[in-house]
Amino acid sequence: KNEVEQSPQNLTAQEGEFITINCSYSVGISALHWLQQHPGGGIVSLFMLSSGKKKHGRLIATINIQEKHSSLHITASHPRDSAVYICALSSGTYKYIFGTGTRLKVLA
Amino acid sequence: DAGVIQSPRHEVTEMGQEVTLRCKPISGHDYLFWYRQTMMRGLELLIYFNNNVPIDDSGMPEDRFSAKMPNASFSTLKIQPSEPRDSAVYFCASRYRQETQYFGPGTRLLVL
Repeated sequence: KNEVEQSPQNLTAQEGEFITINCSYSVGISALHWLQQHPGGGIVSLFMLSSGKKKHGRLIATINIQEKHSSLHITASHPRDSAVYICALSSGTYKYIFGTGTRLKVLA
Repeated sequence: DAGVIQSPRHEVTEMGQEVTLRCKPISGHDYLFWYRQTMMRGLELLIYFNNNVPIDDSGMPEDRFSAKMPNASFSTLKIQPSEPRDSAVYFCASRYRQETQYFGPGTRLLVL
């Protein structure tokens, strides 16, 4: 069983829809990260979470440490949100454990 | 700050040639990471440094791969000899202590 699992693997939405991407993990962590990668592009860190919730613009990330689960929400989705979203875990070793990513496509 | 800088952005080479990828981390960051990304395996950590010292190189595929960090502002990842299966996007990232990692734009390597 993978230490970190994301769902769904692929997601297509219409512009304006509310989107949720999930990340479940099975190991102890010091923080969970959400990353965004546009096609052919670099990787951008969106959030680093160790508890609770964070919001940045239309993006909201939550984490439940007891349930070992995190969600990334996108409100009022837009075609420019089309990207791969990657959940990554970090622990005391400073290494990331990466999820396989969720490929999001938002249609106009 | 210019962010993490990688060069070259694209590299096409023939099998057997030596390839050197370069990275300049963000000034003041004390951790530097080299990753490889392929469609089949996703993102994989190859090696990381703390204060210029290699800490964990367990992800380095084999002896053909080597990485150095001679000073706080420069690191190289070398592949010698290169093989077609090394074709991938190689990312460098840096961070300060346990804060967020910042990724470079990546080097897209194609070995023919």
